Amino acid sequence: EIVLTQSPVTLSLSPGERATLSCRASQSVSSYLAWYQQKPGQAPRLLIYDASNRATGIPARFSGSGSGTDFTLTISRLEPEDFAVYYCQQRNNWPSFTFGGGTKVEIK
Amino acid sequence: QVQLVESGGGLVQPGGSLRLSCAASGLTVSSNYMTWVRQAPGKGLEWVSYISSSGGSILYADSVKGRFTISRDNAKNSLYLQMNSLRAEDTAVYYCARARWLNYWGQGTLVTVSS
Repeated sequence: EIVLTQSPVTLSLSPGERATLSCRASQSVSSYLAWYQQKPGQAPRLLIYDASNRATGIPARFSGSGSGTDFTLTISRLEPEDFAVYYCQQRNNWPSFTFGGGTKVEIK
Repeated sequence: QVQLVESGGGLVQPGGSLRLSCAASGLTVSSNYMTWVRQAPGKGLEWVSYISSSGGSILYADSVKGRFTISRDNAKNSLYLQMNSLRAEDTAVYYCARARWLNYWGQGTLVTVSS
């Protein structure tokens, strides 16, 4: 099973700051990686797929990069609504897939 | 407008059974890969099961294999998860979602396994 490790576990930032979230895979997942945002009491929302493609309706301040085993989600300037938990997900061994443990972006 | 609506969750004793439903609108279940994902209280996301668009390919996570069964009813445009021999560790919010990238999710239904 491919294990995804997200870091940091918690990121404390202020609105307007840049957020950089990391996801590392235990083996190569090529570009088969996605990022999701989840707010309390809500289902996750797809932000980025295939490592760097924004999903429909996702603001340009969200960007993804990486391939192989190391991936990054960047939020260029945090808006108040961006404080949430973020998960990465790989589907290299589709149809099964795994999620990372999550990074919580909290207000400093 | 795609909408997925789960139902069927609730409180069940260990060893009991539940059947979850996911009613779809704006999306044809039989034309899409569909999946179930769960989230234990305060924890991360865990993939549970998958069914292909043809229905010919079905897969389960090791944690539920032999106990859970995924199925669908094309006439009702619905997805199901039959859960048997439930354990405390199956307590979670269960989401149905369209795969491969999970761009459509339901709101989730809570399953609590406790005596």
